[in-house]
Amino acid sequence: SQQGEEDPQALSIQEGENATMNCSYKTSINNLQWYRQNSGRGLVHLILIRSNEREKHSGRLRVTLDTSKKSSSLLITASRAADTASYFCATDDSNDYKLSFGAGTTVTVRA
Amino acid sequence: GAGVSQSPSNKVTEKGKDVELRCDPISGHTALYWYRQSLGQGLEFLIYFQGNSAPDKSGLPSDRFSAERTGGSVSTLTIQRTQQEDSAVYLCASSHHQGYNEQFFGPGTRLTVL
Repeated sequence: SQQGEEDPQALSIQEGENATMNCSYKTSINNLQWYRQNSGRGLVHLILIRSNEREKHSGRLRVTLDTSKKSSSLLITASRAADTASYFCATDDSNDYKLSFGAGTTVTVRA
Repeated sequence: GAGVSQSPSNKVTEKGKDVELRCDPISGHTALYWYRQSLGQGLEFLIYFQGNSAPDKSGLPSDRFSAERTGGSVSTLTIQRTQQEDSAVYLCASSHHQGYNEQFFGPGTRLTVL
């Protein structure tokens, strides 16, 4: 079953704008990860945030985690056409090692 | 260094035939995962291998699905008597150890059952 749910399902922005997507989950977690997928093939790990962290940065990516609300957000700043992809959040249950993925947010960056 | 590789990249088969999908994890990664992704959907967990422990098969959708991992490295996912609903992209991932759990994915095998 999918624990993470991304919102919105799809997002279209102009190059240079910021893109924000959210993820909500149901059970307590060890960590939350964000992945990117191009053209329906392999996923690329973007960033991992632990349950005791509130914010993390990696290049143009900023991830926040609010465990009280069981939610996370991924912000892509100064978007580029190459950022066009589907973005998934994944959580591992604190009692489990399996990752549960949401259905993803499809981001389209218009040149 | 080499990432996770999967073969074949595409497989078209007829309903009722058996297929084998292969995954070569990153060298030194003790954990290996198989997922399935149907069109426009998220990833569905299938099976997990960790070192020499018994695999977690809780995600396999039916007894037509099986997987093995030889020598703690290469893994094969076998689907017997394929059905049209088995059509999906099958993704393999590996990770260095269970606790950290950052997974590295292969490019996937796109399976089409006619």
